[in-house]
Amino acid sequence: EPEVTQTPSHQVTQMGQEVILRCVPISNHLYFYWYRQILGQKVEFLVSFYNNEISEKSEIFDDQFSVERPDGSNFTLKIRSTKLEDSAMYFCASSEGRQETQYFGPGTRLLVL
Amino acid sequence: AQKVTQAQTEISVVEKEDVTLDCVYETRDTTYYLFWYKQPPSGELVFLIRRNSFDEQNEISGRYSWNFQKSTSSFNFTITASQVVDSAVYFCALTRPAGNQFYFGTGTSLTVIP
Repeated sequence: EPEVTQTPSHQVTQMGQEVILRCVPISNHLYFYWYRQILGQKVEFLVSFYNNEISEKSEIFDDQFSVERPDGSNFTLKIRSTKLEDSAMYFCASSEGRQETQYFGPGTRLLVL
Repeated sequence: AQKVTQAQTEISVVEKEDVTLDCVYETRDTTYYLFWYKQPPSGELVFLIRRNSFDEQNEISGRYSWNFQKSTSSFNFTITASQVVDSAVYFCALTRPAGNQFYFGTGTSLTVIP
């Protein structure tokens, strides 16, 4: 069964550093998403991406964040200058269409020191 | 505004007991979709069910069943004859036709004691 994959599974970085989180969505899906989950809290939407552009983003998704689909398979989330409060689990998801089921990857646990 | 409330933060049951996880949602949309996801200790989010607002039929899948009541804006999830492997955090989520982000509840942590 096709699945969303994410790399790395864990990342530790120093405050102020740039990080890039990578995702490979399910191949026939057209919508891609990033969510984050601060430890012990609920899953929060960051951004959705369709047709090579951002279709929706939350207040959390400020200028420090950017997304890109650099090729036909990868979908990346870049955090330009990490802060301590960016420490969280970051989930990538994809869906065939709008309001369709979103299938989530296993997550990348980011720790900012 | 969209909101999903899962009032039960933690539930513990003994194996083989039935357990119901509550989900109450708020939306002004007449069309919307509701979901349940399971997050086991390993951390991934596993899709369980998707239900659209026009389909109020209850659904059963093995030991899992869902009760959608539009009149009370609830979409409750029952696990029958619980097992230790059911121990996880369960999230209810809502999406609306005008957008495609999910609005998640805060989750219910279920512990099944052997």
